[in-house]
Amino acid sequence: SQQGEEDPQALSIQEGENATMNCSYKTSINNLQWYRQNSGRGLVHLILIRSNEREKHSGRLRVTLDTSKKSSSLLITASRAADTASYFCATAPWSSEKLVFGKGTKLTVNP
Amino acid sequence: EPEVTQTPSHQVTQMGQEVILRCVPISNHLYFYWYRQILGQKVEFLVSFYNNEISEKSEIFDDQFSVERPDGSNFTLKIRSTKLEDSAMYFCASRGDRGDEQFFGPGTRLTVL
Repeated sequence: SQQGEEDPQALSIQEGENATMNCSYKTSINNLQWYRQNSGRGLVHLILIRSNEREKHSGRLRVTLDTSKKSSSLLITASRAADTASYFCATAPWSSEKLVFGKGTKLTVNP
Repeated sequence: EPEVTQTPSHQVTQMGQEVILRCVPISNHLYFYWYRQILGQKVEFLVSFYNNEISEKSEIFDDQFSVERPDGSNFTLKIRSTKLEDSAMYFCASRGDRGDEQFFGPGTRLTVL
């Protein structure tokens, strides 16, 4: 099964606009984590939301989780050119140590 | 802020050669991981390591792969006989005892010729 499928695959917006990325998954999870990756670089941890949480905020980031729909969204408000990167959701299945990543959303914020 | 470090940043090797990728996890973390990302593809889990033993591994992690924590700070991934398809970015990650967040290093880009 494919876990952590993000959409859209690519998103291009203007600086100052909000960016919303979605993630769907198929199996039951313990938590869901969002990461950012600048081109060819490492994965930067953004935020973790647990299966019993519905919404979480961190600075300009807002994450929601709907376990009944097996989906999550990442909202970046007031985007900046520096937010240009690929964003991945990663699900943590119960009774497993691994994270299962999606293909990511490539966000471009135009100045 | 503590971070995971990895060396080298880029490794080029000939097919059939052995490579060792090195990682220094965050100092008080107890859980360690290796992932890989083939160019243009998803990040894939390879192995998790806790209390000096493998706790989980994927089907990718076959007999050609091994992990070791040779001392109190390093965590290594060895590929015994590299293949062309092993070319990828390899990420090390670690996690502490109190949280579920996995923190990733900058990666080692392995190129097998």
